[in-house]
Amino acid sequence: GENVEQHPSTLSVQEGDSAVIKCTYSDSASNYFPWYKQELGKRPQLIIDIRSNVGEKKDQRIAVTLNKTAKHFSLHITETQPEDSAVYFCAARRSGGSNYKLTFGKGTLLTVNP
Amino acid sequence: DVKVTQSSRYLVKRTGEKVFLECVQDMDHENMFWYRQDPGLGLRLIYFSYDVKMKEKGDIPEGYSVSREKKERFSLILESASTNQTSMYLCASSFRDFRGGYTFGSGTRLTVV
Repeated sequence: GENVEQHPSTLSVQEGDSAVIKCTYSDSASNYFPWYKQELGKRPQLIIDIRSNVGEKKDQRIAVTLNKTAKHFSLHITETQPEDSAVYFCAARRSGGSNYKLTFGKGTLLTVNP
Repeated sequence: DVKVTQSSRYLVKRTGEKVFLECVQDMDHENMFWYRQDPGLGLRLIYFSYDVKMKEKGDIPEGYSVSREKKERFSLILESASTNQTSMYLCASSFRDFRGGYTFGSGTRLTVV
């Protein structure tokens, strides 16, 4: 089955700096890659996703890049703010009509220091 | 406006008890999922369902079963609770084509003593 590796497990940055979280996946048939943010005590929420026909996607201060050849994708957060502090999860989904599930990475705890 | 609701936020049960965790969604999603979340292990899939009465095992189904009798409701059952099932349980739902991604419930913190 699919395996998703996520690095680093913890990341601490100063407010205003950029943060990058990287994920690799094992199944070359995967074609959907979402990122979720989970604030302390709250549910994970989708913040951005990318499909395999696109190499990069941006939404204000966050962006995701995908390298299908190398089977890795990354989350980039620019101009970090204290409210960006949370656990971030990457995930991958295999293409195909009967593939309904996401496989998640183990998460990255991002701390933005004021 | 909560769209995926889990019946309990905190639950304490005794070893050997049968435990029911309920999840209801009002988003008309076809897919529903149960994950458990443990520190350092991320989100691990227990079971999922892509249609009423349909279910498939995830990565860690042992000790669990599920029921989906109606489209909006997906139940997770611990047949005989054990201490190693102490965890945060997260329900999620999605459209079949994954547009909009998963919507998660708030989670149930289950402690088995």
